Amino acid sequence: NAGVTQTPKFQVLKTGQSMTLQCAQDMNHEYMSWYRQDPGMGLRLIHYSVGAGITDQGEVPNGYNVSRSTTEDFPLRLLSAAPSQTSVYFCASRRGQWLTTGELFFGEGSRLTVL
Amino acid sequence: QKEVEQDPGPLSVPEGAIVSLNCTYSNSAFQYFMWYRQYSRKGPELLMYTYSSGNKEDGRFTAQVDKSSKYISLFIRDSQPSDSATYLCAMSANSSASKIIFGSGTRLSIRP
Repeated sequence: NAGVTQTPKFQVLKTGQSMTLQCAQDMNHEYMSWYRQDPGMGLRLIHYSVGAGITDQGEVPNGYNVSRSTTEDFPLRLLSAAPSQTSVYFCASRRGQWLTTGELFFGEGSRLTVL
Repeated sequence: QKEVEQDPGPLSVPEGAIVSLNCTYSNSAFQYFMWYRQYSRKGPELLMYTYSSGNKEDGRFTAQVDKSSKYISLFIRDSQPSDSATYLCAMSANSSASKIIFGSGTRLSIRP
């Protein structure tokens, strides 16, 4: 079972460039989300979606865009990369938006460096 | 002050030891508590989930919640080298998945 698949695994960008981190899940989960993980900061929620066509902001949304056109895919777009966006990004999905609907499944992460 | 505090470690113990990992928090409204394990270069995976106070046991792992002290613990008995990982606590005041607050993680190393 593939679970949550993220691409690319590694990326180096220059300041001002844009790019999209891809996330796909094959578990028919309604809820999908993006986190960033920085040393000493834990995981912080960037954006999330409770179903196709529905997205909302998390704790640190500035500089990022998302869309959810299908149940399976939830891409994260960096509009104009900044060094402060150097981080490890995780996509995660859950059957529903409530904690009682099951556990949160994470992808393996995408390591982004912005020079 | 962070809502959730977790000692970053690293914590190094010999194989077979009992490990105690802890988090403190400031928001008394938290009532959903989770522990995640994260191996190097991998995504976190759910280890334990508890609601409100009390203990929960699953094999070698025991999660404990003390809401009066705003303190949660994860105990690992008979620790194995395969338990070497970063352990993240997480908690939420309501059942919405978008409101989970994660600790920064404790790096654990089990020496053979």
